[in-house]
Amino acid sequence: SQQGEEDPQALSIQEGENATMNCSYKTSINNLQWYRQNSGRGLVHLILIRSNEREKHSGRLRVTLDTSKKSSSLLITASRAADTASYFCPRGEYGNKLVFGAGTILRVKS
Amino acid sequence: GAGVSQTPSNKVTEKGKYVELRCDPISGHTALYWYRQSLGQGPEFLIYFQGTGAADDSGLPNDRFFAVRPEGSVSTLKIQRTERGDSAVYLCASSSGPWGETQYFGPGTRLLVL
Repeated sequence: SQQGEEDPQALSIQEGENATMNCSYKTSINNLQWYRQNSGRGLVHLILIRSNEREKHSGRLRVTLDTSKKSSSLLITASRAADTASYFCPRGEYGNKLVFGAGTILRVKS
Repeated sequence: GAGVSQTPSNKVTEKGKYVELRCDPISGHTALYWYRQSLGQGPEFLIYFQGTGAADDSGLPNDRFFAVRPEGSVSTLKIQRTERGDSAVYLCASSSGPWGETQYFGPGTRLLVL
C-alpha cells in the first residue's frame, strides 16, 4: 500500500495565487521529502524536512511538518504556469526506501 | 555526470521477451534505488543497493525481476518473460548515503510490453 497521502488530489489556481498541498502519513518517519514531477517523468527534489524540524523554506516554497499530527504541508507562493505538475511527499522509512502516495496534481492557469 | 541517467528512454517489447534497463547514478553516490511508476500513481519501490549489494529487494514483484550493480556504480534492472502488466515507467534514483539523504531521480525508462 502507498503512504504519504497527498491532499487534495487535484488543485487548479490562477497564476499569482498561492497553492497549498497537504500530506499525511501513518507511521513514524525519519524524514519527509517533497518532489515535483512534470509529464509523468523526471521527479525533481524540492525540499527534505527531517523529523526534528518544523519548517523549511526554499525560494517560493515553504514546508511545514507536524509530527504529532503526522502531517506536512507545502505552500507555493506567487504561483507560475511552470509550477503546473504533480507533487509528491514520500516519506523516508527507517531504512532507505521512499514510500509515495498518488500525489497532488496542480494546475496553474495563466 | 551531472545527474542520474537512464537508458533507453523508451523500450517497446513483445510479451515474453527479456529486457534490460540501465541506470548510471550520480558519480560518488553509494546508494541506488529502482522504482516503478504506473499511470496516475506514485512511484513504487523495487530494490535498493548500497554499494554492490542489494540491501533491500522487498519491492521486486516476482522472480522475473532481477537487478545487479556489479561494480557499485551502474545498475541494470532485468525483466524476464515480460508481461503486459510490466508496462510502466521505471525510475532510478541515487543518494550520497543510505540514511535519510535526498534521492535524486533519473528521467526514467518508459517500458511498453505489447
